[in-house]
Amino acid sequence: KAGVTQTPRYLIKTRGQQVTLSCSPISGHRSVSWYQQTPGQGLQFLFEYFSETQRNKGNFPGRFSGRQFSNSRSEMNVSTLELGDSALYLCASSPAGTLAGELFFGEGSRLTVL
Amino acid sequence: GQQLNQSPQSMFIQEGEDVSMNCTSSSIFNTWLWYKQDPGEGPVLLIALYKAGELTSNGRLTAQFGITRKDSFLNISASIPSDVGIYFCALTSGSRLTFGEGTQLTVNP
Repeated sequence: KAGVTQTPRYLIKTRGQQVTLSCSPISGHRSVSWYQQTPGQGLQFLFEYFSETQRNKGNFPGRFSGRQFSNSRSEMNVSTLELGDSALYLCASSPAGTLAGELFFGEGSRLTVL
Repeated sequence: GQQLNQSPQSMFIQEGEDVSMNCTSSSIFNTWLWYKQDPGEGPVLLIALYKAGELTSNGRLTAQFGITRKDSFLNISASIPSDVGIYFCALTSGSRLTFGEGTQLTVNP
């Protein structure tokens, strides 16, 4: 069974640009979550989608947005990039009815903002 | 939000040694989780604890859910080089996880 797939793995952008990251969950998983990982702030929750609806949102500015498609694939977008947005962005999926906290993470998309 | 404190921040040990790390929270929770992140990878769930006082093992790993429901520890026995990585405790709140700061483990052969 294929794991969570994130694309691209690495990307470099400049301040003010926008970026879209993609996540394909494990087949059959309907919940997709996004996390930001930085050395200073650690792993922080961005948002979670289930059946194309945002179920939960973390404390990030409106420049961070996401969506989920009918096939459960998800994208997240960051507009007007700032230097502090440089981070590893991790996507995680889980099946419906799973035990709380059981997430399956992808390898992440490493974003560098210059 | 809740405070989640994990210690130690880093550990340098010799192969074969036992390791212990712990997490404390400012509030009571019903679930404690332990994840491990290898270099260049996403975190992987090691152990999940759902009941106060619960002691669960996964191979050489043992974790316990504190009786006060505000703490948990993870022990690794007889460490090996592939134990290297970052270990995170985490709590659930609905569909979101709150992670501790992580414990960076280095194992010298």
